[in-house]
Amino acid sequence: DQQVKQNSPSLSVQEGRISILNCDYTNSMFDYFLWYKKYPAEGPTFLISISSIKDKNEDGRFTVFLNKSAKHLSLHIVPSQPGDSAVYFCAASAEKLVFGKGTKLTVNP
Amino acid sequence: EAEVAQSPRYKITEKSQAVAFWCDPISGHATLYWYRQILGQGPELLVQFQDESVVDDSQLPKDRFSAERLKGVDSTLKIQPAELGDSAMYLCASSSTGVYEAFFGQGTRLTVV
Repeated sequence: DQQVKQNSPSLSVQEGRISILNCDYTNSMFDYFLWYKKYPAEGPTFLISISSIKDKNEDGRFTVFLNKSAKHLSLHIVPSQPGDSAVYFCAASAEKLVFGKGTKLTVNP
Repeated sequence: EAEVAQSPRYKITEKSQAVAFWCDPISGHATLYWYRQILGQGPELLVQFQDESVVDDSQLPKDRFSAERLKGVDSTLKIQPAELGDSAMYLCASSSTGVYEAFFGQGTRLTVV
């Protein structure tokens, strides 16, 4: 039973455009949500997070939106850059961090 | 910049052999995690320590896996005996107490042949 779902295994966008990565969750006890970025052969790198009491958090080119009623969050990257090409993991926390399967983002020059 | 150190980076072992991984968390981080990531999947928590105590090992296959953090600083994860299905990336992460954001090391890529 997957509690955190990233239904798009891959996403391809043009440089300069917006990338939108989506994540759905089932456990209403999750109270904190995080996005990690992972390059091949490296560990995940923390990117941005959001508490369940907020609906938006912004950090530079990265914005995370949380819709609690829909149990949905999304990561927006604008403008997208080729260096953003990586696997992005959504994670949610109640007592422990639960990760989705990841979405591979490719930003084409 | 402080980081989580893991060794070795890569390990190839024969099935039925013993293998061990080491992790040194960011200084001052009381919470330490071991995750396993199979290709195409997200990281799965194996064990979580708060200082030297285990707070969650519900997903650790205890018949063959063991983890310790004796002095509440660095940690070792052991597999004995290794099986083919153990081939994966083993990730260590740490965080400050009460902080959700965990910081990961570069991982150990284990291949069991």
